[in-house]
Amino acid sequence: EAQVTQNPRYLITVTGKKLTVTCSQNMNHEYMSWYRQDPGLGLRQIYYSMNVEVTDKGDVPEGYKVSRKEKRNFPLILESPSPNQTSLYFCASSLAGSNTGELFFGEGSRLTVL
Amino acid sequence: TQLLEQSPQFLSIQEGENLTVYCNSSSVFSSLQWYRQEPGEGPVLLVTVVTGGEVKKLKRLTFQFGDARKDSSLHITAAQPGDTGLYLCAGGGNNAGNMLTFGGGTRLMVKP
Repeated sequence: EAQVTQNPRYLITVTGKKLTVTCSQNMNHEYMSWYRQDPGLGLRQIYYSMNVEVTDKGDVPEGYKVSRKEKRNFPLILESPSPNQTSLYFCASSLAGSNTGELFFGEGSRLTVL
Repeated sequence: TQLLEQSPQFLSIQEGENLTVYCNSSSVFSSLQWYRQEPGEGPVLLVTVVTGGEVKKLKRLTFQFGDARKDSSLHITAAQPGDTGLYLCAGGGNNAGNMLTFGGGTRLMVKP
């Protein structure tokens, strides 16, 4: 089954404790992206990757890192989480980074930073 | 940064009623997509429109892209409880890397 898989789905952590949210897709998509979703603000892009070893900042990259060592994986790293990073995070992938392409989303990772 | 505003933010209606959700911007978009998101899941694409004035129908859902490609609407006829969810519009820009700009969403509840 074609899918985007995120882990963990739920996480409660404390300020400053490094964490990684993994994302994997099995559709051989070139494009992958991370979004955060906050009430009333819709989805805001954090980082994206057009292909392996190619990453770039989205609209809200501060406090986050990503890597794209393999085509299927695109982990999101919070080196020193803070409470304002409490949010619902979505990983998405697309065949190519075109603005008419369909984005396939994971089920989301709800992060709480105390 | 291109902005998309959706209205209304919340909508609660009875089964069988019609409704329209709006997505507006002062910016021109090269394309417009509508997604639906259910609790505990990621958004799922409903439709993509790319031509100004374009109308697409998906069963009881009708999507329209404004002539100037700055706005869009989603009309649902005879809403059903299964239509309940968060509807997100997303505008496609000219930067291929930052594919889409999302609106804030319209949360729809259809009561039986």
